[in-house]
Amino acid sequence: AQSVAQPEDQVNVAEGNPLTVKCTYSVSGNPYLFWYVQYPNRGLQFLLKYITGDNLVKGSYGFEAEFNKSQTSFHLKKPSALVSDSALYFCALPKGGATNKLIFGTGTLLAVQP
Amino acid sequence: DAGITQSPRHKVTETGTPVTLRCHQTENHRYMYWYRQDPGHGLRLIHYSYGVKDTDKGEVSDGYSVSRSKTEDFLLTLESATSSQTSVYFCAISERAGGIGELFFGEGSRLTVL
Repeated sequence: AQSVAQPEDQVNVAEGNPLTVKCTYSVSGNPYLFWYVQYPNRGLQFLLKYITGDNLVKGSYGFEAEFNKSQTSFHLKKPSALVSDSALYFCALPKGGATNKLIFGTGTLLAVQP
Repeated sequence: DAGITQSPRHKVTETGTPVTLRCHQTENHRYMYWYRQDPGHGLRLIHYSYGVKDTDKGEVSDGYSVSRSKTEDFLLTLESATSSQTSVYFCAISERAGGIGELFFGEGSRLTVL
């Protein structure tokens, strides 16, 4: 069964340092993978997606994600964290392939300290 | 920001009462979704719609019903609210199927069932 996991409830990083938010997945076949961000008291916003092609996907706000098929991972990265990056981050994938049912991980709270 | 309006934004109700949440979009997107967000669970899909009068169940549909009589409106009804339905509910829309197209989210409706 398709699933996505975010092993860390919270990630703490100092401003200016690189950040990584982890996501692993389980699908049969080639996955479609997404990252969304949620700022406090707001709805989720799309960051980036992997459909096919380059393993390094670039998205909004300077974020990128690296698709690794052998490790079944899709980690979100940014070279230099900002305090304003502090938010809740969700990894997601469609259940059953390219369907309407997008399922989300449990979320990782990113806290960037000044 | 995508034109998505959820109403009400906050509601407190008592166990056993019916509740209807409304999602209104001005984007003319085909697909609409209702998710609930709970700590430790991330977002879980309740129901979704792939066109007027075309709806289907998500992961956690028990106790919920939906209706879509117009492209722009997607209603979520709790026929008899229970305390386990206390949650933040998000509406989302997409132009294409969720496995390919990104989702745009509303600001959320916080429901408390006493």
